[in-house]
Amino acid sequence: GAVVSQHPSRVICKSGTSVKIECRSLDFQATTMFWYRQFPKQSLMLMATSNEGSKATYEQGVEKDKFLINHASLTLSTLTVTSAHPEDSSFYICSARDWGEEGTGNTIYFGEGSWLTVV
Amino acid sequence: RKEVEQDPGPFNVPEGATVAFNCTYSNSASQSFFWYRQDCRKEPKLLMSVYSSGNEDGRFTAQLNRASQYISLLIRDSKLSDSATYLCVVINIFTGNQFYFGTGTSLTVIP
Repeated sequence: GAVVSQHPSRVICKSGTSVKIECRSLDFQATTMFWYRQFPKQSLMLMATSNEGSKATYEQGVEKDKFLINHASLTLSTLTVTSAHPEDSSFYICSARDWGEEGTGNTIYFGEGSWLTVV
Repeated sequence: RKEVEQDPGPFNVPEGATVAFNCTYSNSASQSFFWYRQDCRKEPKLLMSVYSSGNEDGRFTAQLNRASQYISLLIRDSKLSDSATYLCVVINIFTGNQFYFGTGTSLTVIP
């Protein structure tokens, strides 16, 4: 079963509205989660690193006021696309690293992804 | 220079063929290596880790060449269901555990 769950899997919203996407680690605690965007037939693009209890770190070119990230607990990070526009339509994916029980693991799991369509 | 580079392909191979992908990395201090598989319109999923001694899982073999700084994935007896994009991931535990994705290599297995 999934170890990282993302919700919603698909969302359609009107231009100008905001959309929140949730990413949960189910079997482990994730102090750090990552948000990506992927346009059709293109590679994953890291948008930001979400840090539990502190501010997210954004990649160059990603507007932090438009893509709000909150990582309020060790198992939940949210990405809010504010004032969405059609060009924000994309596949948004989160990931989290599982360090394992002894803290020596290093496996990255992805959420199922969220298809956002802005009309 | 990019941290991780992959040939994007596409690789179009007939069923039953053997195909290999390479992924080069620029930081010699990189420590952990993985191959992920991403199906169309789905999230990437871990295919296999890459160990220093090389490792095999059924038709899939992963190898690490530290001297030349690349990892490889070999798929034998290709199946139609192997059609996907294969991403390599490199983690450098000495620089804040930064991890880097390749852009992915597209594979299509043809009947």
